[in-house]
Amino acid sequence: RKEVEQDPGPFNVPEGATVAFNCTYSNSASQSFFWYRQDCRKEPKLLMSVYSSGNEDGRFTAQLNRASQYISLLIRDSKLSDSATYLCVVNIRSGNQFYFGTGTSLTVIP
Amino acid sequence: DAGITQSPRHKVTETGTPVTLRCHQTENHRYMYWYRQDPGHGLRLIHYSYGVKDTDKGEVSDGYSVSRSKTEDFLLTLESATSSQTSVYFCATRTGGLETQYFGPGTRLLVL
Repeated sequence: RKEVEQDPGPFNVPEGATVAFNCTYSNSASQSFFWYRQDCRKEPKLLMSVYSSGNEDGRFTAQLNRASQYISLLIRDSKLSDSATYLCVVNIRSGNQFYFGTGTSLTVIP
Repeated sequence: DAGITQSPRHKVTETGTPVTLRCHQTENHRYMYWYRQDPGHGLRLIHYSYGVKDTDKGEVSDGYSVSRSKTEDFLLTLESATSSQTSVYFCATRTGGLETQYFGPGTRLLVL
């Protein structure tokens, strides 16, 4: 069983739409959670960390549900520049290893 | 952006030949990682380092070795390349406290 699972999509949404991605993780000892963004043929870059109480950064909102072992990313008012693959990442407690989901592809259409 | 470079950026090699990929950082980060990224698998950890000469295996370490003789350099070696090692290889670094990883631009390796 994979440590982290994501719906690969693709998600094709019009500009201005709201879109949500979910990610589930299997290890209840997971302690840190992140969303990374990866543009085509580029390296992943941190989009935002995910905190237990949920957190927001502009149009982006991340939520954590420890009981159900999933995290989510909500993008409001989608822009063309939001088109990318979004990677869910978890870190196990006291570990130096990070586990990546396979990514969810988003295309924002004019 | 963190100062992470990878070399070479592209390489084509033949089955059975040794290959070494280099990751160089200017940020003095303690932790360094090597991942491979393949369709349908996402990024998978090959090896990581938690200090000079301190390394450990990741989930897909078979066929790979690493060395870290200086803080700034982390080398990944394929002793005898196989076609299954055709992939995009990313290096990443992390400070000891923060958990954010910073990635290099990647190396595209094709093993014929």
